[in-house]
Amino acid sequence: GNSVTQMEGPVTLSEEAFLTINCTYTATGYPSLFWYVQYPGEGLQLLLKATKADDKGSNKGFEATYRKETTSFHLEKGSVQVSDSAVYFCALSNNYGQNFVFGPGTRLSVLP
Amino acid sequence: GAVVSQHPSWVICKSGTSVKIECRSLDFQATTMFWYRQFPKQSLMLMATSNEGSKATYEQGVEKDKFLINHASLTLSTLTVTSAHPEDSSFYICSAPLAATSYEQYFGPGTRLTVT
Repeated sequence: GNSVTQMEGPVTLSEEAFLTINCTYTATGYPSLFWYVQYPGEGLQLLLKATKADDKGSNKGFEATYRKETTSFHLEKGSVQVSDSAVYFCALSNNYGQNFVFGPGTRLSVLP
Repeated sequence: GAVVSQHPSWVICKSGTSVKIECRSLDFQATTMFWYRQFPKQSLMLMATSNEGSKATYEQGVEKDKFLINHASLTLSTLTVTSAHPEDSSFYICSAPLAATSYEQYFGPGTRLTVT
C-alpha cells in the first residue's frame, strides 16, 4: 500500500537557519505530493504541491521537488522565521483523494 | 481559495452523551468528504469517507455505529460521536476535494472534542 515517511522531529533551528525536512514515499502509479502545515490548535493548510515528476512546488519561501527516481519530496526553506514554527506533514494522493496518506508529521521550532 | 468550515471548533461533553460535528464546504460542492482523527502529536488517521446520497465508507477498525456520518447535502457532512467516552477525546478534522477529479484536499480547521 501507499505510505509516507518523514524525518523524525522535533527539529529546532535558530531564526534565519536553513531548513530541510526529508520525505520519502511508497506508492503505486504516479501520485500527487503535498506538504501541509499545521499551526498550534489549528487545522491543516496546504503549503505546496507537485503533481508530476520533476515539478517544484513553492510557497512562502518553502519549496519541494518531486523526485521520482528517489521517491522523495523534501521540504526546504533558505531562512526560517519564528512564525514558521508548526508541524509539517508530507502527504500523497493517487486516487482523487481516496488514498490520501499522511506522513507522521515533523514538528519545527524556530528560536529567535 | 476553497474553504471548508467545521462547527463547533471545540466541545466538551460528559460521558454517555452524543456530540455532532458539522463540516461544510463554503464555496464549492463536495460529493465526497473525509473525516480524520488526530491524537496529540500524531498524524491524521482517516476514519471514513462520507458520500452524498449514500452510506459512508469506514476504515478498518472504526465503529460505524459509534461514529455516525450523514452527508445531508452537497455542502454538508456531519459526524456524530454517540455515547462518547473519554477515549473518544481527540481532534477531528474533515476535508473535501475541490472536485471529484481533484487530488487536492481542503481541510477544515478541526474540532477538538473533550469527553469528561
